[in-house]
Amino acid sequence: KQEVTQIPAALSVPEGENLVLNCSFTDSAIYNLQWFRQDPGKGLTSLLLIQSSQREQTSGRLNASLDKSSGRSTLYIAASQPGDSATYLCAVDVRSGGGADGLTFGKGTHLIIQP
Amino acid sequence: NAGVMQNPRHLVRRRGQEARLRCSPMKGHSHVYWYRQLPEEGLKFMVYLQKENIIDESGMPKERFSAEFPKEGPSILRIQQVVRGDSAAYFCASSPPRPKPGTGELFFGEGSRLTVL
Repeated sequence: KQEVTQIPAALSVPEGENLVLNCSFTDSAIYNLQWFRQDPGKGLTSLLLIQSSQREQTSGRLNASLDKSSGRSTLYIAASQPGDSATYLCAVDVRSGGGADGLTFGKGTHLIIQP
Repeated sequence: NAGVMQNPRHLVRRRGQEARLRCSPMKGHSHVYWYRQLPEEGLKFMVYLQKENIIDESGMPKERFSAEFPKEGPSILRIQQVVRGDSAAYFCASSPPRPKPGTGELFFGEGSRLTVL
């Protein structure tokens, strides 16, 4: 059974810092990995999707890497801003034969950027 | 192009009542997923549907929960005889047809927050 763990559970840093959020998963047989952002009381916004054949994806100040063999992904946020404050969720799409479909989510990293 | 639309955004029910949550996928999307987010927990997959078909309901509780995605109209997640433990945020996501294996990129609605008194 796929399990996704995100570390740290919470992070508070001053504005302007570069930071790294970590995600690990137990089953390396995945189709892809997605990073989402969730604001309080809101839905999820897709940030980056990395296919299993890719090593990284970049969008603006965000860069996500994937090391499928070690079951790890990192989300790098450059020059953090107060507007980046949110919960960041990592989710993997499991390549399973007849098992559960859909994404398996971690519990998220709650990020606060101090002005 | 409207995103995934869920309603109601907030729903309050007393124990034993029924809850119906609706989801309209993005235009052109034929796949719908329902997820549940319990307080302090991650999102958990519940069910995956295409029009008039339940593809995977392995995450659905065996009793009281059902889902449908009719040929016309929104997808509906129905919870009968609600209990306090059903209080959660229920998220719907949609995706376009999948030419390749895998879920592909999902687009989420803003969720329906159910409170059971």
